[in-house]
Amino acid sequence: KQEVTQIPAALSVPEGENLVLNCSFTDSAIYNLQWFRQDPGKGLTSLLLIQSSQREQTSGRLNASLDKSSGRSTLYIAASQPGDSATYLCAVETSGSRLTFGEGTQLTVNP
Amino acid sequence: KAGVTQTPRYLIKTRGQQVTLSCSPISGHRSVSWYQQTPGQGLQFLFEYFSETQRNKGNFPGRFSGRQFSNSRSEMNVSTLELGDSALYLCASSLEGKLTDTQYFGPGTRLTVL
Repeated sequence: KQEVTQIPAALSVPEGENLVLNCSFTDSAIYNLQWFRQDPGKGLTSLLLIQSSQREQTSGRLNASLDKSSGRSTLYIAASQPGDSATYLCAVETSGSRLTFGEGTQLTVNP
Repeated sequence: KAGVTQTPRYLIKTRGQQVTLSCSPISGHRSVSWYQQTPGQGLQFLFEYFSETQRNKGNFPGRFSGRQFSNSRSEMNVSTLELGDSALYLCASSLEGKLTDTQYFGPGTRLTVL
């Protein structure tokens, strides 16, 4: 059974800092890995999708990497802003179960 | 293009009742998946529908069921509600439901069972 773990569970940083969120998964037979953002009480916003054959994806200040063989992904956020405060969720897609999510990292960026 | 919409946004029910939630996917998307989010269990996959057929199912009891209509809109039904069914129910749509497709999520329906 696929299990996804995210570290740290919570993170508080000052504005402008670069930061890294970590995600690990137990079964490397994934089709893709997605990073999502969730604001309190809201749905999920897809940030980046990395296919299993890819190593990384970039969008603006966000960069996500994938090492499928070791079961790890990182989300790098450059020059963090207060508007980046949210919960960040990592999810992997495996056949038959669609997305399996981690518990999330709650990020607070202080002005 | 309009995003995924879910109705109602909030719902309060009592134990033993049943509830139906609705999800309208992005226009042109044919796959709809449902997820349950609770503080204790996090986000868990319920089921996926594609072309009016259930294609995948998560590990939930038979009280949870769903269906998809010819216009790709989907409904989820929970019968004999329990306190533990209180959760945010999210639906997501994707173009063809391929495992390489991005899933786009709606805002969710917040269900409270009293």
